[in-house]
Amino acid sequence: QSALTQPPSVSGSPGQSVTISCTGTSSDVGASDYVSWYQQHPGKAPKLMIYDVTKRPSGVPDRFSGSKSGNTASLTISGLQAEDEADYYCYSYAGSYTWVFGGGTKLTVL
Amino acid sequence: DVQLVESGGGLVQPGGSLRLSCAASGFAFNTYWLHWVRQAPGKGLVWVSRINGDGTSTTYADSVKGRFTISRDNAKNTLYLQMNSLRAEDTAVYYCARDKYYTSDYWGLGTLVTVSS
Repeated sequence: QSALTQPPSVSGSPGQSVTISCTGTSSDVGASDYVSWYQQHPGKAPKLMIYDVTKRPSGVPDRFSGSKSGNTASLTISGLQAEDEADYYCYSYAGSYTWVFGGGTKLTVL
Repeated sequence: DVQLVESGGGLVQPGGSLRLSCAASGFAFNTYWLHWVRQAPGKGLVWVSRINGDGTSTTYADSVKGRFTISRDNAKNTLYLQMNSLRAEDTAVYYCARDKYYTSDYWGLGTLVTVSS
């Protein structure tokens, strides 16, 4: 049950695109269609942004997109906006009814 | 609207016990799996435990196995987390979350547990 690996921080200017990676193993990310991404602003509860690797819940802007290749999932945010500044976490089903989060990535909008 | 409201957090001494509750509304409670997730101050999210709809199947993170017990009362639409033998490293905000096809789609606001002498 080791945490998935995310970069501690990423940054971008308004209007630019950024990609956050999430690397796991063949037992979690590599084996799972159930990879999600959460946005968390300071002092707030996490908000689901992407589920099932690529799907967006209703109300999430299409600027947010997800993908996966092998043991690495990615979240791409295009057309960065100031309100996107937050912490982002990946989350994967890891088999045997257990789940694992990434360590989190702080996104700074310059 | 789906709502999850945690309660029961507070200050407890190392070795002590605490029971958290999560009151749910706005959905068919007994048909959903539920999770507990925690977040230590300034740290990341960590999955803690999951329970199925009728409470017959539970799973735990290694870090809490044997010390924490997840349960639910479907008549009261309430999820619980019994925490025993608490350690300083259990200090965190504890969130309950609803599971929808292996994704946690709705979350509560959390309740803070502080383990300290």
